[in-house]
Amino acid sequence: AQKITQTQPGMFVQEKEAVTLDCTYDTSDPSYGLFWYKQPSSGEMIFLIYQGSYDQQNATEGRYSLNFQKARKSANLVISASQLGDSAMYFCAMRGDGPESGGGADGLTFGKGTHLIIQP
Amino acid sequence: EADIYQTPRYLVIGTGKKITLECSQTMGHDKMYWYQQDPGMELHLIHYSYGVNSTEKGDLSSESTVSRIRTEHFPLTLESARPSHTSQYLCASSDLAQGNSEKLFFGSGTQLSVL
Repeated sequence: AQKITQTQPGMFVQEKEAVTLDCTYDTSDPSYGLFWYKQPSSGEMIFLIYQGSYDQQNATEGRYSLNFQKARKSANLVISASQLGDSAMYFCAMRGDGPESGGGADGLTFGKGTHLIIQP
Repeated sequence: EADIYQTPRYLVIGTGKKITLECSQTMGHDKMYWYQQDPGMELHLIHYSYGVNSTEKGDLSSESTVSRIRTEHFPLTLESARPSHTSQYLCASSDLAQGNSEKLFFGSGTQLSVL
């Protein structure tokens, strides 16, 4: 079965520093997608960034970039110049379209999340 | 950006009551999902739907049921609420045509407390 591992339950970072949130994944699907979501204390899930398994370049979206290392099965999120408003839970997720995913029918598999706190 | 709405936002109810959590989206998405999330924990898929009249159970066993009579509406029902059902319930939708890049749009969630 697909699995997402986020090894950092919580992180404290000084404002304006760069942050790297770790994510490793396990799947035997040949094709898959990797996602990062942010969940503020208000509870909604906000999409941040997507990386396809066949994408040659690392994805970037503003201050967010995804450090994709396919051989290591890692998809770390990098936030540059952190801001107080970045304080939230961050979830790594994946979706495949092979037999392990039921042909992609089962939505996203989420990790346990990392609680990021930005300190002034 | 997201046009997906959940009501109520918070619900406190007694054991044994029947409840329905509402979810509607205006994006015309085919797929809709219900996830359950305990505080500080990951999301677990409990139900999903490919479209009208389609409902499937997710990875996490749940005593809830869902229906999909209209594309935009995907309500979740608990016939007899119990304290073990206390959790946050998140509804999401996506465009089936996106394949692996299928991005989920989430509602704001319903925080359910069963006393």
